[in-house]
Amino acid sequence: DSGVTQTPKHLITATGQRVTLRCSPRSGDLSVYWYQQSLDQGLQFLIHYYNGEERAKGNILERFSAQQFPDLHSELNLSSLELGDSALYFCASSVRLVGTDTQYFGPGTRLTVL
Amino acid sequence: AQTVTQSQPEMSVQEAETVTLSCTYDTSESDYYLFWYKQPPSRQMILVIRQEAYKQQNATENRFSVNFQKAAKSFSLKISDSQLGDAAMYFCAYRTFNTGTASKLTFGTGTRLQVTL
Repeated sequence: DSGVTQTPKHLITATGQRVTLRCSPRSGDLSVYWYQQSLDQGLQFLIHYYNGEERAKGNILERFSAQQFPDLHSELNLSSLELGDSALYFCASSVRLVGTDTQYFGPGTRLTVL
Repeated sequence: AQTVTQSQPEMSVQEAETVTLSCTYDTSESDYYLFWYKQPPSRQMILVIRQEAYKQQNATENRFSVNFQKAAKSFSLKISDSQLGDAAMYFCAYRTFNTGTASKLTFGTGTRLQVTL
């Protein structure tokens, strides 16, 4: 158990819908990262928050957005869902910003868009 | 941009034997970090081992060790005394040292390791 929690574990929804994925980082971790794992794109970085501020964006679609709240939990919002958004979404956390920090991954949320 | 390449989609090893998974990367940076993550059927991403590029000594964690060749931009993972529980997808990952840019992980495509009796 990494100490990072993600809810829900599974999510099944229809095209065009909107969903919210939630992540609670390890106690004391200020950085939260979101990654998407799909069959065709592999593991890709989406976005990084540090202590409530967005620090970097990766291959995140405009239909997707995220935020990190004062209690440091983070939410990833996916809207106007398409079949291709079906994937495993991971959240990872680390203590700080620096590269020496290990990123600890949550168990992931499996999103299925029908 | 950095890229990570894992050229072995699948590998197989017998229990108690040794196996080496390959990883190469491309970067123009001199300082960075390299990682191996394991993803078992449960899909959890588990850190196996990490290597700081500025360290010449290869990292080891129990049965897991790396062969880090900075000039060749190669970072292979050796698993000794393989166990059934080692069966998983293994991902090589790169992370920049520069905290001014995104300290994201860039992953390879993974190597699926089978462990046979």
